[in-house]
Amino acid sequence: NAGVTQTPKFRILKIGQSMTLQCAQDMNHNYMYWYRQDPGMGLKLIYYSVGAGITDKGEVPNGYNVSRSTTEDFPLRLELAAPSQTSVYFCATSGSGSRNEQFFGPGTRLTVL
Amino acid sequence: GNSVTQMEGPVTLSEEAFLTINCTYTATGYPSLFWYVQYPGEGLQLLLKATKADDKGSNKGFEATYRKETTSFHLEKGSVQVSDSAVYFCALFTGGGNKLTFGTGTQLKVEL
Repeated sequence: NAGVTQTPKFRILKIGQSMTLQCAQDMNHNYMYWYRQDPGMGLKLIYYSVGAGITDKGEVPNGYNVSRSTTEDFPLRLELAAPSQTSVYFCATSGSGSRNEQFFGPGTRLTVL
Repeated sequence: GNSVTQMEGPVTLSEEAFLTINCTYTATGYPSLFWYVQYPGEGLQLLLKATKADDKGSNKGFEATYRKETTSFHLEKGSVQVSDSAVYFCALFTGGGNKLTFGTGTQLKVEL
């Protein structure tokens, strides 16, 4: 089992460009999350999903969009990239029976210039 | 709202030294508490957890006790190794919104 996979690992964008960060899981977990990690700031929740077709905003959703058409995939879309979105992005999942234990992907390092 | 406060790093120790990383929290209700570890270039991994007051979580020689009276969940290890060098995050979960609240992380560096 691959667990939680994220692509790409690294990306450089120019201001105003758009991109989609991919997240996939083979753990059959209902809950999925997107975080951003800024130096010295811990992790901030961007969006989360409690199941296919259901998404909700976290603490810092502005500038991002998500969709959840399948249990396995939870892509994060950046429209009109800005330097403030330079960060490391982590996807995570958890199961219904243990919602509090989250499993993280390896992260995507994004730089916006 | 919920919040987690961790001691600032980096913490630099010699191998075999005793480790304490402080964590205190503010939460409504009765949270579950966690320590996650992030090794260089990787995502976070669950290190240990405790789901109710006075519970002790333990794993890989690390321990933390859920102290409701002091709202604390300090991480300890009796003898650290170079391989323990990582960033450690304290977190809490209260069930509402299915969300973890993380502290800012504490970097640990262990030297020979």
